[in-house]
Amino acid sequence: EAGVTQFPSHSVIEKGQTVTLRCDPISGHDNLYWYRRVMGKEIKFLLHFVKESKQDESGMPNNRFLAERTGGTYSTLKVQPAELEDSGVYFCASSQDQGTQYFGPGTRLLVL
Amino acid sequence: GENVEQHPSTLSVQEGDSAVIKCTYSDSASNYFPWYKQELGKRPQLIIDIRSNVGEKKDQRIAVTLNKTAKHFSLHITETQPEDSAVYFCAASLRLPPWALGTSYGKLTFGQGTILTVHP
Repeated sequence: EAGVTQFPSHSVIEKGQTVTLRCDPISGHDNLYWYRRVMGKEIKFLLHFVKESKQDESGMPNNRFLAERTGGTYSTLKVQPAELEDSGVYFCASSQDQGTQYFGPGTRLLVL
Repeated sequence: GENVEQHPSTLSVQEGDSAVIKCTYSDSASNYFPWYKQELGKRPQLIIDIRSNVGEKKDQRIAVTLNKTAKHFSLHITETQPEDSAVYFCAASLRLPPWALGTSYGKLTFGQGTILTVHP
């Protein structure tokens, strides 16, 4: 069974540009989470989808971040416009019901 | 909201020694506590977890203990090996029964991470 995949693995953009991250969860997992780790700090929760619905978006830092999960399969996280402090590693995780969360390899975002 | 503190931030041991990492949490409602291991350049992977109705759980060289009253839990690794070197994260979460699913459940609140180095 394929694990959680994320694309791209790395992204380097200029401040003010737009970046879109993609996450493909494990097939059949209704729950999809986005997390972020900034500069060696803790991994922080961003939001939680159940199928296509946003169950909890309390961790989204501001309205420059937009997450979608149309059709309840893969999800995208768009940052527009990107700021320097958005640099970090963005992780996606998925789970079946409230089971173990399986993490993707992450997208390393660098905003210059 | 939940807050998780993890100590130490770095831990260096000799191969064969034991390693202990400690975490405290603030929200007494949290009832699920997983530990993730992240090797360099790889994804975080679950190594062990414990629910609040259990005080201790063991899996080969790894064990986790939970003290609900004091709101702290610990990871114990015995007979450490160089391949145990990684960053370890503790986390706390709230799992709800299906009939009580509300607006916020399932999200993991992580500690700051511990860089464990096992010297051969």
